[in-house]
Amino acid sequence: AQKITQTQPGMFVQEKEAVTLDCTYDTSDPSYGLFWYKQPSSGEMIFLIYQGSYDQQNATEGRYSLNFQKARKSANLVISASQLGDSAMYFCAMRSASGGSYIPTFGRGTSLIVHP
Amino acid sequence: DVKVTQSSRYLVKRTGEKVFLECVQDMDHENMFWYRQDPGLGLRLIYFSYDVKMKEKGDIPEGYSVSREKKERFSLILESASTNQTSMYLCASSQPTGSSYNEQFFGPGTRLTVL
Repeated sequence: AQKITQTQPGMFVQEKEAVTLDCTYDTSDPSYGLFWYKQPSSGEMIFLIYQGSYDQQNATEGRYSLNFQKARKSANLVISASQLGDSAMYFCAMRSASGGSYIPTFGRGTSLIVHP
Repeated sequence: DVKVTQSSRYLVKRTGEKVFLECVQDMDHENMFWYRQDPGLGLRLIYFSYDVKMKEKGDIPEGYSVSREKKERFSLILESASTNQTSMYLCASSQPTGSSYNEQFFGPGTRLTVL
């Protein structure tokens, strides 16, 4: 079975500062993928960044980077230079081959509020 | 521009009514998913489909059924709506399974209220 844990229900950050959103995962599969999605108040989930379990380097996409620590089973999202538009729910998700299918499992999400 | 659309953004129904939520994707994706999202619980998978006429139960299928007659369309059916099915419903699609990479593309969501 696979499991995703996001322990921060809510986070606050000052505009232009960096923020880290925590995500830990659990799976017995050696091959898996980790995803982060953003959900603004409009409701639509937006894909941000992906990290494969065999990737040697941490993934980066613009202001988003994924701090992947395989031994600790953590995949934290780092947002640099926060903007007001970053205020949203953020979900960590994982896909692995558990049970023979790559069905994603989502965490409960972290609400991020960026202050001016 | 890739797109997943859902038939309604907001829906209000009465207890006992049969409710249809429709989802259409234009990316020729084989996989389609229905999730339910409730505050503090994240996204919970109701059903998914990996091909036309194929479906698999997710974590919370009770009270729901699905239909996939065409590749681009995946419908969620509440046979007899109940108040505890008041929620946000999200549809998603992705490329075939077998690879851990494939990101999901989500629709805008349907906020269903059952009175």
